[in-house]
Amino acid sequence: EAEVAQSPRYKITEKSQAVAFWCDPISGHATLYWYRQILGQGPELLVQFQDESVVDDSQLPKDRFSAERLKGVDSTLKIQPAELGDSAMYLCASSFQTGYEQFFGPGTRLTVL
Amino acid sequence: AQSVTQLDSQVPVFEEAPVELRCNYSSSVSVYLFWYVQYPNQGLQLLLKYLSGSTLVKGINGFEAEFNKSQTSFHLRKPSVHISDTAEYFCALRGSGNTGKLIFGQGTTLQVKP
Repeated sequence: EAEVAQSPRYKITEKSQAVAFWCDPISGHATLYWYRQILGQGPELLVQFQDESVVDDSQLPKDRFSAERLKGVDSTLKIQPAELGDSAMYLCASSFQTGYEQFFGPGTRLTVL
Repeated sequence: AQSVTQLDSQVPVFEEAPVELRCNYSSSVSVYLFWYVQYPNQGLQLLLKYLSGSTLVKGINGFEAEFNKSQTSFHLRKPSVHISDTAEYFCALRGSGNTGKLIFGQGTTLQVKP
């Protein structure tokens, strides 16, 4: 069964360091989403891609966060520099097209010390 | 603005008892509604969804939910829970326009006791 892959599963870093997360969506899925889930809260959309184009990054803190999906397949989310408040689960999801069911990966749990 | 409110942060229940997890939403446009389950340190799995048609929707693992437009609610129910249902449950909405963005509630922890 096709799944969304994410790595690493866990990341511990110190404040002011740079971190990067990787996501490989289900093959053939054109739409890719990055969500952030703070402990005790529901996920919140950070950025949505349609193929290689960003269609929604209104909630992405652009001073420190960046996201890319260069060939319209896998994607990388970067934080530089990391802050204590960035500690969270970062979830990647993909769907066949916008509006279709979203399938979630296992997430990357980030701890910033 | 659209929002989702899950009325209970924790719901303890004994095994084989029925359970209801409550969800209210707010939106000025038509919405699609979803329930997801999240087990510890895992991603989200779709339980069920309401897109249109019958207001009673059935999902996986014996769960069902009823869409009530007049009360703007989408409560999740199961007639008999198992220990394995212990997890975090999230209600979410998506606007009916051309957007994929899901807006989630804060989550409800279902604790099934033996």
